[in-house]
Amino acid sequence: DVKVTQSSRYLVKRTGEKVFLECVQDMDHENMFWYRQDPGLGLRLIYFSYDVKMKEKGDIPEGYSVSREKKERFSLILESASTNQTSMYLCASSTNPNEQFFGPGTRLTVL
Amino acid sequence: AQKITQTQPGMFVQEKEAVTLDCTYDTSDPSYGLFWYKQPSSGEMIFLIYQGSYDQQNATEGRYSLNFQKARKSANLVISASQLGDSAMYFCETRDTGNQFYFGTGTSLTVIP
Repeated sequence: DVKVTQSSRYLVKRTGEKVFLECVQDMDHENMFWYRQDPGLGLRLIYFSYDVKMKEKGDIPEGYSVSREKKERFSLILESASTNQTSMYLCASSTNPNEQFFGPGTRLTVL
Repeated sequence: AQKITQTQPGMFVQEKEAVTLDCTYDTSDPSYGLFWYKQPSSGEMIFLIYQGSYDQQNATEGRYSLNFQKARKSANLVISASQLGDSAMYFCETRDTGNQFYFGTGTSLTVIP
């Protein structure tokens, strides 16, 4: 079974803090993705990566950065968390052109 | 750019009945894939079914089938014999040859006993 794990299910941070969300997949997938999900807006792509050390901006990259130093790990970084970044964050991985496998999600609250 | 639309924010269906969840898309790419995912209240997205744009037959996976009408650019999900465990959010996704992919805003399905 493909396993995509995320470091935390729930996270509470303060405005201005630097936040790291970690995602690990165990199926040697080339592609990894970070989304945020908000009610009524569906899933919006923040960043994705097709290979180690490679990253591409998605639809809403502002306020975020990513790191992919190893194939199995894709990190999302909020350099200075703000209240409008309170959301559910979903990580996914895939091989082209197949379906994406999602992690359980991290519900981030920024106070 | 590719857009994808799910026009039904919420749907209700009686247990054991069939239900259709709508999805329309807008693409100029002749080759693309269509995916449906289920998201229960636990939050994890689960892949359900895939349809390729050149597939001649509608995809089926158990109780799930995809009503693919290429000319109308629609890819509706049909769930037969609904079960209480089908209550969830359902998302449609499209992906083209440039590996650009888009999710719809989702449909919340509630199965009534």
